[in-house]
Amino acid sequence: EAGVAQSPRYKIIEKRQSVAFWCNPISGHATLYWYQQILGQGPKLLIQFQNNGVVDDSQLPKDRFSAERLKGVDSTLKIQPAKLEDSAVYLCASSLGVGVNYGYTFGSGTRLTVV
Amino acid sequence: AQTVTQSQPEMSVQEAETVTLSCTYDTSESDYYLFWYKQPPSRQMILVIRQEAYKQQNATENRFSVNFQKAAKSFSLKISDSQLGDAAMYFCACGGATNKLIFGTGTLLAVQP
Repeated sequence: EAGVAQSPRYKIIEKRQSVAFWCNPISGHATLYWYQQILGQGPKLLIQFQNNGVVDDSQLPKDRFSAERLKGVDSTLKIQPAKLEDSAVYLCASSLGVGVNYGYTFGSGTRLTVV
Repeated sequence: AQTVTQSQPEMSVQEAETVTLSCTYDTSESDYYLFWYKQPPSRQMILVIRQEAYKQQNATENRFSVNFQKAAKSFSLKISDSQLGDAAMYFCACGGATNKLIFGTGTLLAVQP
């Protein structure tokens, strides 16, 4: 089966600019996650979708970050305006259902550099 | 709340030798799962092994095995017969059955030929 697709693979922007990342999960996976991985740290959950509804966005900096999952399939994560501290790898993952027991499949991530 | 601690930022092992990566966790969940993920330079997180907390038997996947000490909240990963392809960042993670996955800070494993 095809894996979790993410694009772009790399992105360099200046601070205060906007950027968007795209994720296409595995077909049939109802749950989609966006994680932020800052260099030297483990991934941190930003937002979790179940179909096209938000399950958990408690760690999402809502003043600058937004995410949507139209039609419950692919998803877009946006940052506007970007700050230097947003430099990180943004990982998308999907699973059949809500809960770690279903297992997560991760994409290869987007490396964002804010200069 | 859940926390995962990996106290070894870097480890090194000779090819064909055995290495153990440490992890401790804390969770208020009664039904939870523990995982080890491998992250090579390609950045994709690859599941190495998983352990259901309700199972007393330690999980094993080929050269990879865990030492799960529930009372001590310890979950270490043992890699036997290390290979050059095992070199990567390894993350320990914990999650409740209906909750999100929380990761540790990772251990960078180098394999020396």
